[in-house]
Amino acid sequence: AQTVTQSQPEMSVQEAETVTLSCTYDTSESDYYLFWYKQPPSRQMILVIRQEAYKQQNATENRFSVNFQKAAKSFSLKISDSQLGDAAMYFCAYLGGTYKYIFGTGTRLKVLA
Amino acid sequence: DTAVSQTPKYLVTQMGNDKSIKCEQNLGHDTMYWYKQDSKKFLKIMFSYNNKELIINETVPNRFSPKSPDKAHLNLHINSLELGDSAVYFCASSYSFAGGADTQYFGPGTRLTVL
Repeated sequence: AQTVTQSQPEMSVQEAETVTLSCTYDTSESDYYLFWYKQPPSRQMILVIRQEAYKQQNATENRFSVNFQKAAKSFSLKISDSQLGDAAMYFCAYLGGTYKYIFGTGTRLKVLA
Repeated sequence: DTAVSQTPKYLVTQMGNDKSIKCEQNLGHDTMYWYKQDSKKFLKIMFSYNNKELIINETVPNRFSPKSPDKAHLNLHINSLELGDSAVYFCASSYSFAGGADTQYFGPGTRLTVL
């Protein structure tokens, strides 16, 4: 069975600085997708970024980028120029052949002014 | 403009009661899901429907019964509520199931509190 691990329960970053959230996963599948979702205090789950495993190029969305290392089964999220509005829980998710999202336990990101 | 909506957003009820949570999506998606987020923020899938057909049914007590009257709606009915059912329940939808891994779009969640 696939598993997703987020080893950092909480991270802090100064406004305008860069922070990296880590995510590792375990799978025997070769085709799968990885996602980062953001959950602010409003509770809404917001898609941040998506990566297809067959693509070697790392996905990027504005200030958000990933470092996808397929062999190492690592999928970290880098947030550049952090803003106060980035403060939230961040969830890494895996989606493979079972079509079920498997979520990590989340990382709470605090942004310090 | 709301893509995935849920009602109610908050639900407080007594143990033993029966309650329903409704979900609607206007994205034209074929597949809808129910997730439970516990007090430790852990998210786990409960059910998934594709075009009104149940395709994922995780190990969930029989007291939970999803119903999909059409592909734009997926409701969750819970019988004989227990304290442990207190959680946030999220509805989500994606374009298709058979098409492979599709991004899921989440509703705002329903916080259920059982007293």
